[in-house]
Amino acid sequence: AQSVAQPEDQVNVAEGNPLTVKCTYSVSGNPYLFWYVQYPNRGLQFLLKYITGDNLVKGSYGFEAEFNKSQTSFHLKKPSALVSDSALYFCAVRIAGGGYQKVTFGTGTKLQVIP
Amino acid sequence: DSGVTQTPKHLITATGQRVTLRCSPRSGDLSVYWYQQSLDQGLQFLIQYYNGEERAKGNILERFSAQQFPDLHSELNLSSLELGDSALYFCASSAWTSGVDEQFFGPGTRLTVL
Repeated sequence: AQSVAQPEDQVNVAEGNPLTVKCTYSVSGNPYLFWYVQYPNRGLQFLLKYITGDNLVKGSYGFEAEFNKSQTSFHLKKPSALVSDSALYFCAVRIAGGGYQKVTFGTGTKLQVIP
Repeated sequence: DSGVTQTPKHLITATGQRVTLRCSPRSGDLSVYWYQQSLDQGLQFLIQYYNGEERAKGNILERFSAQQFPDLHSELNLSSLELGDSALYFCASSAWTSGVDEQFFGPGTRLTVL
Protein backbone atom coordinates (compact mmCIF):
# COMPACT_ATOMS: atom_id res chain seq x y z
CA ALA A 1 0.00 0.00 0.00
CA GLN A 2 1.16 3.51 -0.67
CA SER A 3 0.37 6.66 1.25
CA VAL A 4 1.09 10.34 1.46
CA ALA A 5 1.14 12.45 4.58
CA GLN A 6 0.85 16.21 4.68
CA PRO A 7 1.26 16.83 8.40
CA GLU A 8 0.09 20.45 8.39
CA ASP A 9 -3.50 21.35 7.62
CA GLN A 10 -2.49 24.98 7.27
CA VAL A 11 0.73 26.94 6.86
CA ASN A 12 0.86 30.67 7.45
CA VAL A 13 3.75 32.73 6.13
CA ALA A 14 4.39 36.42 5.70
CA GLU A 15 4.70 37.80 2.20
CA GLY A 16 8.33 37.85 1.09
CA ASN A 17 9.38 35.11 3.51
CA PRO A 18 10.42 31.63 2.38
CA LEU A 19 7.73 28.97 2.54
CA THR A 20 7.81 25.23 3.02
CA VAL A 21 4.90 22.81 2.66
CA LYS A 22 5.75 19.37 3.97
CA CYS A 23 5.07 15.99 2.40
CA THR A 24 6.22 12.50 3.33
CA TYR A 25 5.37 9.35 1.45
CA SER A 26 5.39 5.59 1.67
CA VAL A 27 5.62 3.26 -1.32
CA SER A 28 6.96 -0.23 -1.85
CA GLY A 29 9.51 0.79 -4.42
CA ASN A 30 10.88 3.90 -6.02
CA PRO A 31 8.43 6.80 -6.15
CA TYR A 32 7.23 9.30 -8.65
CA LEU A 33 6.15 12.40 -6.72
CA PHE A 34 3.94 15.32 -7.65
CA TRP A 35 2.74 18.63 -6.29
CA TYR A 36 -0.55 20.18 -7.34
CA VAL A 37 -2.12 23.51 -6.38
CA GLN A 38 -5.82 24.27 -6.10
CA TYR A 39 -7.08 27.84 -6.10
CA PRO A 40 -10.56 28.54 -4.73
CA ASN A 41 -13.35 27.13 -6.90
CA ARG A 42 -10.85 25.71 -9.37
CA GLY A 43 -9.51 22.28 -10.26
CA LEU A 44 -6.05 21.08 -9.33
CA GLN A 45 -3.16 22.44 -11.36
CA PHE A 46 0.12 20.60 -11.82
CA LEU A 47 3.13 22.34 -10.23
CA LEU A 48 6.04 19.93 -10.51
CA LYS A 49 7.11 16.30 -10.44
CA TYR A 50 10.04 14.15 -9.47
CA ILE A 51 10.77 11.07 -11.55
CA THR A 52 14.50 10.55 -11.38
CA GLY A 53 17.75 12.48 -11.44
CA ASP A 54 18.41 15.70 -9.59
CA ASN A 55 16.80 15.70 -6.15
CA LEU A 56 15.87 19.38 -6.49
CA VAL A 57 13.01 19.82 -8.89
CA LYS A 58 11.94 23.22 -10.19
CA GLY A 59 8.36 23.86 -11.21
CA SER A 60 5.83 26.51 -12.06
CA TYR A 61 5.45 29.92 -10.38
CA GLY A 62 8.91 29.78 -8.76
CA PHE A 63 8.17 26.67 -6.69
CA GLU A 64 10.66 23.90 -6.15
CA ALA A 65 10.69 20.64 -4.24
CA GLU A 66 13.43 18.53 -2.78
CA PHE A 67 13.29 14.76 -2.94
CA ASN A 68 14.92 13.14 0.08
CA LYS A 69 14.96 9.37 -0.22
CA SER A 70 16.34 8.65 3.24
CA GLN A 71 13.64 10.75 4.89
CA THR A 72 10.98 9.74 2.33
CA SER A 73 10.07 13.39 1.94
CA PHE A 74 9.23 15.73 -0.91
CA HIS A 75 8.77 19.17 0.63
CA LEU A 76 7.55 22.05 -1.50
CA LYS A 77 9.47 25.31 -1.20
CA LYS A 78 9.58 28.84 -2.48
CA PRO A 79 12.23 31.44 -1.57
CA SER A 80 9.82 34.37 -1.37
CA ALA A 81 6.08 33.93 -0.86
CA LEU A 82 3.48 36.00 -2.66
CA VAL A 83 -0.07 36.69 -1.50
CA SER A 84 -1.22 35.10 -4.74
CA ASP A 85 0.38 31.81 -3.63
CA SER A 86 -2.41 31.41 -1.08
CA ALA A 87 -4.13 28.19 -2.09
CA LEU A 88 -4.54 24.51 -1.25
CA TYR A 89 -1.52 22.34 -2.06
CA PHE A 90 -1.63 18.59 -2.66
CA CYS A 91 1.26 16.15 -2.71
CA ALA A 92 0.82 12.88 -4.63
CA VAL A 93 2.80 9.68 -5.11
CA ARG A 94 2.82 6.67 -7.38
CA ILE A 95 5.23 3.80 -7.83
CA ALA A 96 7.90 4.43 -10.46
CA GLY A 97 7.78 2.65 -13.76
CA GLY A 98 5.84 2.42 -16.94
CA GLY A 99 2.26 1.38 -17.40
CA TYR A 100 -0.63 2.24 -15.15
CA GLN A 101 0.07 2.82 -11.47
CA LYS A 102 -2.35 4.19 -8.92
CA VAL A 103 -1.73 7.77 -7.76
CA THR A 104 -2.39 8.56 -4.11
CA PHE A 105 -3.02 12.14 -3.02
CA GLY A 106 -2.39 13.68 0.37
CA THR A 107 -5.11 15.47 2.28
CA GLY A 108 -3.89 18.89 1.26
CA THR A 109 -2.26 21.84 3.04
CA LYS A 110 -3.81 25.27 2.99
CA LEU A 111 -1.17 27.94 2.46
CA GLN A 112 -2.03 31.40 3.70
CA VAL A 113 0.38 34.18 2.73
CA ILE A 114 -0.13 37.22 4.92
CA PRO A 115 0.49 40.65 3.38
CA ASP B 1 -7.25 26.02 -18.66
CA SER B 2 -6.36 22.33 -18.49
CA GLY B 3 -8.42 21.31 -21.51
CA VAL B 4 -10.62 19.02 -19.41
CA THR B 5 -14.25 20.12 -19.32
CA GLN B 6 -16.92 19.20 -16.83
CA THR B 7 -20.63 19.87 -16.83
CA PRO B 8 -22.58 21.10 -15.03
CA LYS B 9 -20.59 23.49 -12.84
CA HIS B 10 -23.15 23.39 -10.08
CA LEU B 11 -25.90 20.94 -9.27
CA ILE B 12 -28.46 21.22 -6.51
CA THR B 13 -30.75 18.29 -5.87
CA ALA B 14 -32.66 16.52 -3.14
CA THR B 15 -31.92 13.38 -1.16
CA GLY B 16 -32.92 10.20 -2.93
CA GLN B 17 -32.44 11.66 -6.37
CA ARG B 18 -30.07 10.60 -9.17
CA VAL B 19 -27.68 12.84 -11.07
CA THR B 20 -25.20 12.47 -13.90
CA LEU B 21 -21.93 14.37 -14.10
CA ARG B 22 -20.16 14.65 -17.41
CA CYS B 23 -16.48 14.95 -18.28
CA SER B 24 -14.67 15.47 -21.56
CA PRO B 25 -10.96 14.70 -21.42
CA ARG B 26 -8.21 16.59 -23.19
CA SER B 27 -7.90 15.78 -26.86
CA GLY B 28 -5.95 12.57 -27.23
CA ASP B 29 -6.04 11.53 -23.56
CA LEU B 30 -7.38 8.01 -23.15
CA SER B 31 -7.55 7.88 -19.36
CA VAL B 32 -10.22 9.51 -17.26
CA TYR B 33 -10.23 9.64 -13.47
CA TRP B 34 -12.99 10.68 -11.08
CA TYR B 35 -12.33 12.18 -7.66
CA GLN B 36 -14.54 13.39 -4.83
CA GLN B 37 -13.40 16.30 -2.71
CA SER B 38 -15.23 17.01 0.51
CA LEU B 39 -14.24 19.20 3.44
CA ASP B 40 -13.68 16.33 5.85
CA GLN B 41 -12.33 13.67 3.48
CA GLY B 42 -9.92 15.53 1.26
CA LEU B 43 -9.42 14.31 -2.30
CA GLN B 44 -10.69 10.76 -2.72
CA PHE B 45 -10.04 8.70 -5.84
CA LEU B 46 -13.23 7.09 -7.09
CA ILE B 47 -12.56 5.30 -10.36
CA GLN B 48 -10.44 5.31 -13.50
CA TYR B 49 -11.25 4.39 -17.09
CA TYR B 50 -8.82 3.79 -19.90
CA ASN B 51 -10.09 3.79 -23.46
CA GLY B 52 -13.55 2.67 -22.41
CA GLU B 53 -12.50 0.02 -19.91
CA GLU B 54 -12.53 0.29 -16.14
CA ARG B 55 -8.89 0.34 -15.00
CA ALA B 56 -8.97 0.95 -11.27
CA LYS B 57 -11.46 1.44 -8.48
CA GLY B 58 -10.99 3.49 -5.37
CA ASN B 59 -13.42 4.45 -2.64
CA ILE B 60 -16.47 4.43 -4.85
CA LEU B 61 -19.82 3.64 -3.29
CA GLU B 62 -22.12 1.05 -4.83
CA ARG B 63 -24.66 3.83 -5.40
CA PHE B 64 -22.18 5.44 -7.76
CA SER B 65 -21.24 4.20 -11.20
CA ALA B 66 -19.30 5.51 -14.15
CA GLN B 67 -18.63 4.76 -17.75
CA GLN B 68 -16.45 5.98 -20.58
CA PHE B 69 -17.94 6.18 -24.04
CA PRO B 70 -16.35 5.50 -27.44
CA ASP B 71 -15.72 9.23 -27.92
CA LEU B 72 -13.80 9.05 -24.59
CA HIS B 73 -16.08 11.32 -22.62
CA SER B 74 -17.09 9.94 -19.27
CA GLU B 75 -20.12 10.14 -17.03
CA LEU B 76 -20.37 9.62 -13.29
CA ASN B 77 -23.81 8.56 -12.10
CA LEU B 78 -24.75 9.14 -8.49
CA SER B 79 -28.01 7.63 -7.25
CA SER B 80 -30.03 7.51 -4.04
CA LEU B 81 -28.26 10.68 -3.06
CA GLU B 82 -27.57 11.43 0.59
CA LEU B 83 -26.65 14.67 2.31
CA GLY B 84 -23.10 13.37 2.70
CA ASP B 85 -22.68 13.13 -1.05
CA SER B 86 -22.47 16.90 -1.22
CA ALA B 87 -18.96 17.59 -2.52
CA LEU B 88 -16.86 18.76 -5.41
CA TYR B 89 -16.45 16.08 -8.05
CA PHE B 90 -13.40 16.34 -10.23
CA CYS B 91 -12.55 14.61 -13.43
CA ALA B 92 -8.98 14.33 -14.67
CA SER B 93 -7.43 12.96 -17.81
CA SER B 94 -3.87 11.88 -18.24
CA ALA B 95 -1.14 11.88 -20.81
CA TRP B 96 2.30 10.35 -20.79
CA THR B 97 4.81 13.18 -20.26
CA SER B 98 8.50 12.44 -19.74
CA GLY B 99 7.78 8.84 -18.89
CA VAL B 100 4.99 9.40 -16.39
CA ASP B 101 1.23 9.77 -16.69
CA GLU B 102 0.51 13.32 -15.65
CA GLN B 103 -3.05 14.13 -14.63
CA PHE B 104 -4.88 17.24 -15.81
CA PHE B 105 -7.91 18.24 -13.77
CA GLY B 106 -11.18 19.74 -14.85
CA PRO B 107 -12.80 22.65 -12.97
CA GLY B 108 -15.13 20.33 -11.08
CA THR B 109 -18.85 19.97 -10.48
CA ARG B 110 -20.16 21.18 -7.15
CA LEU B 111 -22.96 18.93 -5.99
CA THR B 112 -25.26 20.09 -3.23
CA VAL B 113 -27.76 17.60 -1.84
CA LEU B 114 -30.53 19.18 0.21
